[in-house]
Amino acid sequence: NAGVTQTPKFRVLKTGQSMTLLCAQDMNHEYMYWYRQDPGMGLRLIHYSVGEGTTAKGEVPDGYNVSRLKKQNFLLGLESAAPSQTSVYFCASSGPGQGGADTQYFGPGTRLTVL
Amino acid sequence: AQSVTQPDIHITVSEGASLELRCNYSYGATPYLFWYVQSPGQGLQLLLKYFSGDTLVQGIKGFEAEFKRSQSSFNLRKPSVHWSDAAEYFCAVGALNKLSFGAGTTVTVRA
Repeated sequence: NAGVTQTPKFRVLKTGQSMTLLCAQDMNHEYMYWYRQDPGMGLRLIHYSVGEGTTAKGEVPDGYNVSRLKKQNFLLGLESAAPSQTSVYFCASSGPGQGGADTQYFGPGTRLTVL
Repeated sequence: AQSVTQPDIHITVSEGASLELRCNYSYGATPYLFWYVQSPGQGLQLLLKYFSGDTLVQGIKGFEAEFKRSQSSFNLRKPSVHWSDAAEYFCAVGALNKLSFGAGTTVTVRA
């Protein structure tokens, strides 16, 4: 049982390049999330999904796109990377829980640097 | 919308001493509250959560938290800190399928 995995662990991009971060979970969770973590700002929600084929915007969605074609996978795309997107990205998943706010299980993170 | 404030950015505590981390939340209805811990270079791990019932919640690694509705607080405590408790701690409030995190408190443990 691997839990939540993220690929890749590290990546360096040049401004304007594109890339996709992959998140996979094996817990049959309905909900999946993408966060970014920056010093002194905690975790901020980028996009999330409440089920296969659905996505929704979070707190800081600009410059990112997501897709949830399979229940176990949640992809985060950067179409044209900018230095402001240098951050650590975390994926998480959860069940529907009580009132839609259950325990989230986090991946190990992807450290992205945009030059 | 919900929000969380963690007033202390950094706390230094001696090994064996007690620890208390503060968390204040803002939410109009009954909150779902969480504490997560992040060790350096790692993802977040759940310490404990409060959904309803007893306002004193026990978690893993000897941590506990107390929900006080009148003060909109959910402070985390540990009676005796170990060196391995050095980490960053995040309080979060959950609603509408989402969590909102505080900015975090970094705990340093000195020998």
